[in-house]
Amino acid sequence: QSTLTQPVSVSGSPGQSISISCTGTSSDVGNNNFVSWYQQRFPGEVPKLMIYDVDNRPSGVSNRFSGSKSGNTASLTISGLQAEDEGDYYCTSFTSSRTHVFGSGTKVTVL
Amino acid sequence: EVQLVESGGGVVQPGGSLRLSCAASGFTFGNFWMHWVRQAPGKGPMWVSRINSDGTTITYADSVKGRFTISRDNAKNTVYLQMNSLRAEDTAVYYCIRDFRIYDYWGQGTQVTVSS
Repeated sequence: QSTLTQPVSVSGSPGQSISISCTGTSSDVGNNNFVSWYQQRFPGEVPKLMIYDVDNRPSGVSNRFSGSKSGNTASLTISGLQAEDEGDYYCTSFTSSRTHVFGSGTKVTVL
Repeated sequence: EVQLVESGGGVVQPGGSLRLSCAASGFTFGNFWMHWVRQAPGKGPMWVSRINSDGTTITYADSVKGRFTISRDNAKNTVYLQMNSLRAEDTAVYYCIRDFRIYDYWGQGTQVTVSS
């Protein structure tokens, strides 16, 4: 299984909005609505689920985080960017082979 | 309180075997799919395997198929990952995960190092 393609890095100033793309294929992202996003603020920290099923937020996750999907590309948007949002973000998708695949990861920097 | 506690990691030579365990508590274990995900040093996570609530549906990542075996014992609230023919590229922290979706919960992980 190949990894999903994400930009290496995205940055923004406090208060701005940024978006992270996650591009797959018709066999994964484009095949279903089981796309999730994880945040890992520090190396070695357990990843935290931020979005599941494309656009759903788990309880306790700020409404500044939102998700969407169009075709084979999913996106995570962080609005009102804050210093605490810095870290690595990974998308993941269920696949037509009944496996899961992660994205390559995006480092978010708050300027 | 939900808890997932992995154990069984360690240092093993290439070609060797390890059996990871993940003990669950604080929820009805037999109701959930369980997954294993690993993360190599400096790399992103990689999904490894999943097993459904009664153990009848199992899938693996291509890179571990034929070498790793996932199983569960609902009476012991434990999921296992038997890892054979280990390679250097299997070196990672291995996480046990409940559900991997709306009821997502991760253990703290156990380190597996494959080295001669």
